[in-house]
Amino acid sequence: QSALTQPRSVSGSPGQSVTISCTGTSSDVGGYNYVSWYQQHPGKAPKLMIYDVSKRPSGVPDRVSGSKSGNTASLTISGLQAEDEADYYCCSYAGSYVVFGGGTKLTVL
Amino acid sequence: QVQLQESGPGLVKPSETVSLTCTVSGYSMTSGYYWGWIRQPPGKGLEWIASIFHSGSTYYNPSLKSRVTISVDTSKNHFSLRLNSVTAADTAVYYCARGSIGFWSAYFGYWGQGTLVTVSS
Repeated sequence: QSALTQPRSVSGSPGQSVTISCTGTSSDVGGYNYVSWYQQHPGKAPKLMIYDVSKRPSGVPDRVSGSKSGNTASLTISGLQAEDEADYYCCSYAGSYVVFGGGTKLTVL
Repeated sequence: QVQLQESGPGLVKPSETVSLTCTVSGYSMTSGYYWGWIRQPPGKGLEWIASIFHSGSTYYNPSLKSRVTISVDTSKNHFSLRLNSVTAADTAVYYCARGSIGFWSAYFGYWGQGTLVTVSS
């Protein structure tokens, strides 16, 4: 089993939108609607941002959204704010186990 | 409010076994949800290790399965991880987390602060 593929870094200016992709296979991302996304600030534990592809936990702003097409899931953050600068990880069910992406560093310019 | 706290040795020698415990407060483990361990080597990404239900049903990362045991003690409201034959590659921050109601949903909504385990002689 291999880690899901994410871009190493993305960037955007305050107020803009950014999208982070997460590419897997038909055995994980493409096979199930069970993708989650996590935000991690330096030295902190990850925080759940999206689950079941597009659902937001309580407290996560609606400018954060998730989607999926085929073997690729995406996390979109609109109205970028300075506090969005962090590492982001995708995660997928893979039929009896769980696999994470390699992580993407989001820089707010 | 669900809270999780990892505990265990900070330093382990190569080839030894490391045991970690996650104590859960603010929620009874017997009420449901899967519970899991995830690790993160310094400067690297997240890796799922294993998950367990309060009934004892378990799931393991295939790449670690031969060296890992996850267990639960509902009387103490905690769950544990044992990783044997450790090497420097096992050096990481180990997180415990509350998973989803069904394992297949595969998300982790509450996390502990993490504990650094260093493998070194």
